Amino acid sequence: DGGITQSPKYLFRKEGQNVTLSCEQNLNHDAMYWYRQDPGQGLRLIYYSQIVNDFQKGDIAEGYSVSREKKESFPLTVTSAQKNPTAFYLCASSRLGAYGYTFGSGTRLTVV
Amino acid sequence: DAKTTQPNSMESNEEEPVHLPCNHSTISGTDYIHWYRQLPSQGPEYVIHGLTSNVNNRMASLAIAEDRKSSTLILHRATLRDAAVYYCILRDGGAQKLVFGQGTRLTINP
Repeated sequence: DGGITQSPKYLFRKEGQNVTLSCEQNLNHDAMYWYRQDPGQGLRLIYYSQIVNDFQKGDIAEGYSVSREKKESFPLTVTSAQKNPTAFYLCASSRLGAYGYTFGSGTRLTVV
Repeated sequence: DAKTTQPNSMESNEEEPVHLPCNHSTISGTDYIHWYRQLPSQGPEYVIHGLTSNVNNRMASLAIAEDRKSSTLILHRATLRDAAVYYCILRDGGAQKLVFGQGTRLTINP
């Protein structure tokens, strides 16, 4: 079955460490996205990519970095520059155009 | 990005229809209306989308006002599994990002 996989589901890191969240899709979607969700809040866009080797900043890109070396993969690195990294991170993909998104099940990152 | 307005919360009873409203008075001609829902600790799930005409699928119906300044997501017969946060979002056909608001928290009473 086609889908989008995020790993790990839960992640704990010490303050000051970089951490990379994985996102893989086998839907042959061109576009991929990273969102952050804080408790009781809606989703905020971090980065998105429409094609391989190209990506754009979203509304809250500071302290995050991404790469898109393969169509299927869009990893997100949470750097030590991110002031408040503890959150629920969601990856999504879609076909180009006004189509619906498919979301992963999320990674809950806790920085201690 | 065009903005949508939804009630913070709604409540309904199991096996009854639910009408979730969304206002989008600044919608442009190329904006599609998308609906997603999110269960606790899960990623959002696509529900339905439309441009001008009403749309139906196995999950729900989308009724779009003639002037397109509002829309309503209709769950025909609510079940306890429909309890979730429902997001109404506008997506430009050329833009490649969705901007989420706060959504409507739907509670279903047994």
